[in-house]
Amino acid sequence: SQQGEEDPQALSIQEGENATMNCSYKTSINNLQWYRQNSGRGLVHLILIRSNEREKHSGRLRVTLDTSKKSSSLLITASRAADTASYFCATGALSGGGADGLTFGKGTHLIIQP
Amino acid sequence: DAGVIQSPRHEVTEMGQEVTLRCKPISGHNSLFWYRQTMMRGLELLIYFNNNVPIDDSGMPEDRFSAKMPNASFSTLKIQPSEPRDSAVYFCASSTQGSTEAFFGQGTRLTVV
Repeated sequence: SQQGEEDPQALSIQEGENATMNCSYKTSINNLQWYRQNSGRGLVHLILIRSNEREKHSGRLRVTLDTSKKSSSLLITASRAADTASYFCATGALSGGGADGLTFGKGTHLIIQP
Repeated sequence: DAGVIQSPRHEVTEMGQEVTLRCKPISGHNSLFWYRQTMMRGLELLIYFNNNVPIDDSGMPEDRFSAKMPNASFSTLKIQPSEPRDSAVYFCASSTQGSTEAFFGQGTRLTVV
């Protein structure tokens, strides 16, 4: 079953604009991660935020986590054509603490128009 | 390190045939995961191993699916007999147990006709 649900399912913006994707989940978590998938490729880990953190930055990426609302957002600033990909959130089980049983949402397909 | 290596990259087979997908995890990683990705259902966790031992296979859809990990450097996912609805991209991923980042292979695109 899907734990995380991304929103929107698809997003198309102009190069240079910021892209925001959201993720909602259902159960208590230990951490939440965002992954990226280029067409025809495997997933690549982008960033992780722990349940006791509210915001995290990595380069042009900014992730927020609101455990009271069971939601997270991924912001990509100053988007580039190369950012075109699908983005997935994944939640780590509270009991696990590791990558055990990571569950993924269906993803947001991001298209950056040049 | 070459990363997680999966083979074959593409597999086309006829309904009823046995299919075996292979995975070589990153050296030193002791957790291995098999996922299936389809447009309809997204990315589903099928089974995962810690130290070569299956921990959770609740995601395996049917008895037609089986997975093994005979040693730390090799795992297989077998479908016997295969059906058209098994068509999907199958991903293998590995991590260090206790780590929180999973490293994915390039996937095997399976088409059952």
